[in-house]
Amino acid sequence: QLQLQESGSGLVKPSQTLSLTCAVSGASILSGGYSWNWIRQPPGQGLEWIGYIFHTGSTYYNPSLRSRVAISLDRSKNQFSLNLSSVTAADTAVYYCARAAERVAATSFDSWGQGTLVTVSS
Amino acid sequence: DIQMTQSPSSLSASVGDRVTITCRASQSIGRSLSWYQQKPGEAPHLLIYGASTVQSGVPSRFSGIGSGTEFTLTVSSLQAEDLGTYFCQQSYNTLYTFGQGTKLEIK
Repeated sequence: QLQLQESGSGLVKPSQTLSLTCAVSGASILSGGYSWNWIRQPPGQGLEWIGYIFHTGSTYYNPSLRSRVAISLDRSKNQFSLNLSSVTAADTAVYYCARAAERVAATSFDSWGQGTLVTVSS
Repeated sequence: DIQMTQSPSSLSASVGDRVTITCRASQSIGRSLSWYQQKPGEAPHLLIYGASTVQSGVPSRFSGIGSGTEFTLTVSSLQAEDLGTYFCQQSYNTLYTFGQGTKLEIK
């Protein structure tokens, strides 16, 4: 059974870089047909898609965050990571990693991590 | 960006009621629409993709319909465990966007 688990610092100072890792078990991130995504949810608010990476290493980011975000693969550990630079309080959110699959004309997130709260504060 | 607007923002219903949530897209998205349920303190959970295909393991009381710009999610007979927030999400273009959510409470 596929499982995703986020880890990383829960408290980041303003202007610093937020770094999170998503460990994947039950499937290889190198298998085709899926993208590996980061999504965030500020407290009490809706969902914002951050970006994805394919098994090939190709990436696509939300243009609103593109200048600050990087997603990478660690093939040896079957995990992928998020770096978000120059953070502000507006980046405080629960961060989820998720797998996406394209089926029946839609790309949907069919498996999610439990989420990790990251607070930006000095 | 494609804007997704859900209505209502919240609703309260009784066990056994039929509940409908609407999601409208700012431009035509074909059938590139998925629905999620998020229970308090949990990650979202996929219910429906391709506007009307129910994800494996999801109870048959959940259904979806629509295409173009207007979509609906229906719960045919509400159960107590259906409380939570429901989100729609478009994937017509790669800048995936979500609706703002509909919070469903049980009376």
